[in-house]
Amino acid sequence: AQSVAQPEDQVNVAEGNPLTVKCTYSVSGNPYLFWYVQYPNRGLQFLLKYITGDNLVKGSYGFEAEFNKSQTSFHLKKPSALVSDSALYFCAVRDNYGNNRLAFGKGNQVVVIP
Amino acid sequence: DGGITQSPKYLFRKEGQNVTLSCEQNLNHDAMYWYRQDPGQGLRLIYYSQIVNDFQKGDIAEGYSVSREKKESFPLTVTSAQKNPTAFYLCASSRTSGSSYEQYFGPGTRLTVT
Repeated sequence: AQSVAQPEDQVNVAEGNPLTVKCTYSVSGNPYLFWYVQYPNRGLQFLLKYITGDNLVKGSYGFEAEFNKSQTSFHLKKPSALVSDSALYFCAVRDNYGNNRLAFGKGNQVVVIP
Repeated sequence: DGGITQSPKYLFRKEGQNVTLSCEQNLNHDAMYWYRQDPGQGLRLIYYSQIVNDFQKGDIAEGYSVSREKKESFPLTVTSAQKNPTAFYLCASSRTSGSSYEQYFGPGTRLTVT
């Protein structure tokens, strides 16, 4: 079965510094990968996805993610973090058995320090 | 959150009562999903449906039931058999064809059972 791992529970970063949130995945076949963000007591918002093509994927709010097939990773990045980026971030991988299920990681809490 | 509505936002019930959470979407998506979110555990799939009048159990279906009589609606019933129903419940929808497999989420319903 497909799975993702987000190894860090919390990521602290100073405002203006680069932000990286790590994700590794396990799936049979080609990976379809996603990043979501969740603000307190809200639903998840879609940030970006990798289906095929360029390994660097650009998404909403200045976020991007780098797909690395050899390391089975899909790390989320932002060149300059904002205090408003403080939120919970989820990585997900799609099931390749045709049922469109997503497996989510446990999430990373990002805290951007002013 | 646009396109998917969940009601109510907060719900309180006494132990032993069944309760139904509403989920409606106007995105014309074929697939709909219910997740449960608990602190530190990410999202866990309860039920999903890829087409009207059909649905499948997810990873934690025990104590829950669903119906999919209309494309737009996918209500979730939390029954008295669910041992620990207090949680944040999220509904999502997605396409089932093309390359847009990302799921879109509603704002969630926080259920408290005492």
